[in-house]
Amino acid sequence: AQSVAQPEDQVNVAEGNPLTVKCTYSVSGNPYLFWYVQYPNRGLQFLLKYITGDNLVKGSYGFEAEFNKSQTSFHLKKPSALVSDSALYFCAVRDMRTNAGKSTFGDGTTLTVKP
Amino acid sequence: SQTIHQWPATLVQPVGSPLSLECTVEGTSNPNLYWYRQAAGRGLQLLFYSVGIGQISSEVPQNLSASRPQDRQFILSSKKLLLSDSGFYLCAWGRQYPNEKLFFGSGTQLSVL
Repeated sequence: AQSVAQPEDQVNVAEGNPLTVKCTYSVSGNPYLFWYVQYPNRGLQFLLKYITGDNLVKGSYGFEAEFNKSQTSFHLKKPSALVSDSALYFCAVRDMRTNAGKSTFGDGTTLTVKP
Repeated sequence: SQTIHQWPATLVQPVGSPLSLECTVEGTSNPNLYWYRQAAGRGLQLLFYSVGIGQISSEVPQNLSASRPQDRQFILSSKKLLLSDSGFYLCAWGRQYPNEKLFFGSGTQLSVL
């Protein structure tokens, strides 16, 4: 079985400050890890992924995430937040061995960036 | 380039009425297809997935069914809607190989009254 935990329902930051959205995961084999963003009444958009290689991965819109195997975490980060980053963020995990590609999503974290 | 179309965007249906939501993918072949439901703007629950025509796997027992009559067409159905079927339904596709990220449709907001 695989699971994802996003411990914070809400993250509030001031524009220009760094932001972190937390994610921890559980999977039997090696993980594929993803971050997606959702704007109101829209589908999810892919931000970045960790498959293998460097633990720090860079994605769209200046976001990055760090894979930490020992802590089973994949926190999303951005050095300087923008008001336009305000949205709902989802972490997802999939077991690398699964052919069907079934991803398990966290419950989401609402990021609010205030001017 | 690949695109995914999902319709309708909004649907209001009475309890006991049938449902049909359609999703089509363009620009790729033999995709994995998925139906997710999102309740109250929060987490996603995988309802069905398909790795090929006529191949449907159900993740949770419920009042809904799915079909894949063509390679790039995925349909979510119900014979009789329940109040608890209300939610935001998302279709998604992913490549068979490499089997990585998902591409989502714009979603259908279903209200059962």
